[in-house]
Amino acid sequence: DTGVSQDPRHKITKRGQNVTFRCDPISEHNRLYWYRQTLGQGPEFLTYFQNEAQLEKSRLLSDRFSAERPKGSFSTLEIQRTEQGDSAMYLCASSTRQGQETQYFGPGTRLLVL
Amino acid sequence: AQSVTQPDIHITVSEGASLELRCNYSYGATPYLFWYVQSPGQGLQLLLKYFSGDTLVQGIKGFEAEFKRSQSSFNLRKPSVHWSDAAEYFCAVGASWFNAGNMLTFGGGTRLMVKP
Repeated sequence: DTGVSQDPRHKITKRGQNVTFRCDPISEHNRLYWYRQTLGQGPEFLTYFQNEAQLEKSRLLSDRFSAERPKGSFSTLEIQRTEQGDSAMYLCASSTRQGQETQYFGPGTRLLVL
Repeated sequence: AQSVTQPDIHITVSEGASLELRCNYSYGATPYLFWYVQSPGQGLQLLLKYFSGDTLVQGIKGFEAEFKRSQSSFNLRKPSVHWSDAAEYFCAVGASWFNAGNMLTFGGGTRLMVKP
């Protein structure tokens, strides 16, 4: 396994712009999670996919946020009309729905909204 | 709703000293419990996990944790800390029902500093 990868690692944008992040899970992991981590805090759950189906969304995920996993492999997280409060680390994790589920995290995408 | 509390925001220990990081959880059923470590600017690395069985679990890098149901705790320990252990440590609890997504709830983290 090559591990979970995320792209880009860093993103600086101006308020009001749209941004998109990509997550490539460990191959054959059918579950994929997005979390957000603000400075000095623990990660908070945003959304979850099983294969291509988005099965859970947190109340943190406003209507400016959208996530997709079109073929059950990689996933994208888009933020429209970014706000300064969106500045955070966005973490992706993947796992298999077999037995005792363990999530493996990627390196994260750090977003700074100016 | 599940929750995790890590009472110590910062801990400083001398290299070679023992370490214990506290974690208390709130969850209605049998919890799945995890400890992750995060180096600055990096993602989370799994240290160890508890699902069932032996309440003392061993992890990577010489870490261990003990599940105590009566105290709703899952404290992380290491007998001798190395300078490379300086990082942020997160305790997390996950759902234990099989067919649901296992959304993790994290504590606020404990930042470990190691003195030479």
